[in-house]
Amino acid sequence: DAKTTQPPSMDCAEGRAANLPCNHSTISGNEYVYWYRQIHSQGPQYIIHGLKNNETNEMASLIITEDRKSSTLILPHATLRDTAVYYCIVTFFGNEKLTFGTGTRLTIIP
Amino acid sequence: DTGVSQDPRHKITKRGQNVTFRCDPISEHNRLYWYRQTLGQGPEFLTYFQNEAQLEKSRLLSDRFSAERPKGSFSTLEIQRTEQGDSAMYLCASSFGGSQETQYFGPGTRLLVL
Repeated sequence: DAKTTQPPSMDCAEGRAANLPCNHSTISGNEYVYWYRQIHSQGPQYIIHGLKNNETNEMASLIITEDRKSSTLILPHATLRDTAVYYCIVTFFGNEKLTFGTGTRLTIIP
Repeated sequence: DTGVSQDPRHKITKRGQNVTFRCDPISEHNRLYWYRQTLGQGPEFLTYFQNEAQLEKSRLLSDRFSAERPKGSFSTLEIQRTEQGDSAMYLCASSFGGSQETQYFGPGTRLLVL
């Protein structure tokens, strides 16, 4: 699996868009970008995934650059409940094991 | 759909004792995974099952660890002769498998070995 690099921590004001970056410069052509988050003392929660096109669901949007070497997870209107550690994972679709890094600790400020 | 459940949520044991954790996946999910998470780190893969078959084990899963999924439904993870280094959160996840590979995680079992 390709290695990912994320900032260790970020702050965002409540109600604003939270933009979480992820670098994955060694990603291969058939590897997907997945995002999970982990709220304190809970198990990780799936957010979104994509291959090359931008994706949007009810939780977030995923923007993948054209060269696929980086991506951004966007939470459009952050709330206090979005405070969590966010993990960017690059892996082959259907890969049985997810390789988590240390993620980005996002704190939403009231 | 009640989600993935794990029992117990917390376990405190003395070094050298055996412990067993249970995971109940989302019904009809064929794949079940175990991960371990230590403080400040992301989860680390331990093993996974396709139905009742254990298909992969991480080198992190020493001989003291054993996992089973006897009827392809719930799974158990046993740790024998626990050590202080086994203290961690043990997470279970499940997925449909195949083209539906999103993994859904349970709340975890937090183990403290004294």
